[in-house]
Amino acid sequence: AQKITQTQPGMFVQEKEAVTLDCTYDTSDQSYGLFWYKQPSSGEMIFLIYQGSYDEQNATEGRYSLNFQKARKSANLVISASQLGDSAMYFCAMREARVLRGSNYKLTFGKGTLLTVNP
Amino acid sequence: DARVTQTPRHKVTEMGQEVTMRCQPILGHNTVFWYRQTMMQGLELLAYFRNRAPLDDSGMPKDRFSAEMPDATLATLKIQPSEPRDSAVYFCASGLVYPTNEKLFFGSGTQLSVL
Repeated sequence: AQKITQTQPGMFVQEKEAVTLDCTYDTSDQSYGLFWYKQPSSGEMIFLIYQGSYDEQNATEGRYSLNFQKARKSANLVISASQLGDSAMYFCAMREARVLRGSNYKLTFGKGTLLTVNP
Repeated sequence: DARVTQTPRHKVTEMGQEVTMRCQPILGHNTVFWYRQTMMQGLELLAYFRNRAPLDDSGMPKDRFSAEMPDATLATLKIQPSEPRDSAVYFCASGLVYPTNEKLFFGSGTQLSVL
């Protein structure tokens, strides 16, 4: 079974509108972390936002927010006021298993969602 | 800004040849990862190190792949012999692992083509 599921292979949004990119995850751990990364056409992976499983509030970073619904095991990324430069591949990732002095650290990535922002 | 540096950016080689990819992690980061990205499999973890010690390389084909950190400023990923199915983008990432908010910084990747 996939650990991270991104059901939207591609999404389109008009410039200045908000868009939600879906991510669901599967884990039996109580402690885990959820991440979103952006990969523009140039190829580098850019960290966007992080949500810890014990964080009570949804994470926000500028125009990015993470809609964390623990019971549903979803961690959707919301981008407000889309810009042309937001066109990129977006990956959801999870770090599960207890971090015992860093010995069990792994990030598992979803397949990604290609976002296209139209002018 | 501190960056993870990977070399080479692109590599084209023939089947059977040895390929070595290098990574300079961000100074002070204690964890280094190697990921491989393909269209079919997405991003796969190959190996990772903490304080230069290998912690997990279960994602790596052991017969042809090897990963090392000879010192804190250099991580290498070697393929010998290379095969066409190894064609992919290989990313190095480094981070400073704490119990929370572990953010990885990725290099620009090495695009490998094995003919």
